[in-house]
Amino acid sequence: GESVGLHLPTLSVQEGDNSIINCAYSNSASDYFIWYKQESGKGPQFIIDIRSNMDKRQGQRVTVLLNKTVKHLSLQIAATQPGDSAVYFCAERMEYGNKLVFGAGTILRVKS
Amino acid sequence: EPEVTQTPSHQVTQMGQEVILRCVPISNHLYFYWYRQILGQKVEFLVSFYNNEISEKSEIFDDQFSVERPDGSNFTLKIRSTKLEDSAMYFCASRDFERPEQYFGPGTRLTVT
Repeated sequence: GESVGLHLPTLSVQEGDNSIINCAYSNSASDYFIWYKQESGKGPQFIIDIRSNMDKRQGQRVTVLLNKTVKHLSLQIAATQPGDSAVYFCAERMEYGNKLVFGAGTILRVKS
Repeated sequence: EPEVTQTPSHQVTQMGQEVILRCVPISNHLYFYWYRQILGQKVEFLVSFYNNEISEKSEIFDDQFSVERPDGSNFTLKIRSTKLEDSAMYFCASRDFERPEQYFGPGTRLTVT
C-alpha cells in the first residue's frame, strides 16, 4: 500500500548549523513530493516541492533532494535558526492523483 | 498574502451531535481538501473536491461525513453524528488549477466528549 515514513522523530541542531531531515517513501508511482513545516497549534506550511523528474530543487535556505533509486527524499536547511524549530512532514502524491500522503513527521529543535 | 482560513478554531461537542467545520479557501483556487490529524499522529487525507463534486475520498470519509461548497467562498465539512474517535485537528487545504502545492488552513480542533 501507500506509505511515507520518517526514520528519526527528533533532530536537535545548533543554531547556525545545517539540518538534514530525511524521508523514505515506498510508492514508486508517486510523481510529486512536498515538504511542510508545522509549528505548534498551526496548520502545515508549504516549504518546498519537487516533481519526480527532478533530483534537486533549491529555495531560500532550503534544498530538497530526491533519490528515486532508493526512494528517499531529504530536506536540507542551511544556517538553521531558532525560528526553524517545528515538526517537518514530507508528503507524496501518486501519479495523476489528488491527495497527499503524509509521513509521520520529524521534530526539529534548534539550540541557541 | 492570501491564506486559507477556518472557523471555529476549537469546537467542543457531545457524542452523537452534528458539527459543521467551515473553511474559506484561497480565492482563485479550484481544488479543495479536508485532512485530519489525530493528536501525535500523521496528517490523514479525508476528501478532495473539485467542480462541485467529490473527486476522491478515503476510507475514513464514511456516510457520516459530507462536504459542501454552499457559495462562492465557503467550503464545509459536516459530521452528522460525532464519535469520540472523531476528536482531531481538521485541516482544510486548497490549490489552484496549475500548481500542485496545497495550502493549508490553521485547523479546527474538534473535541468530542
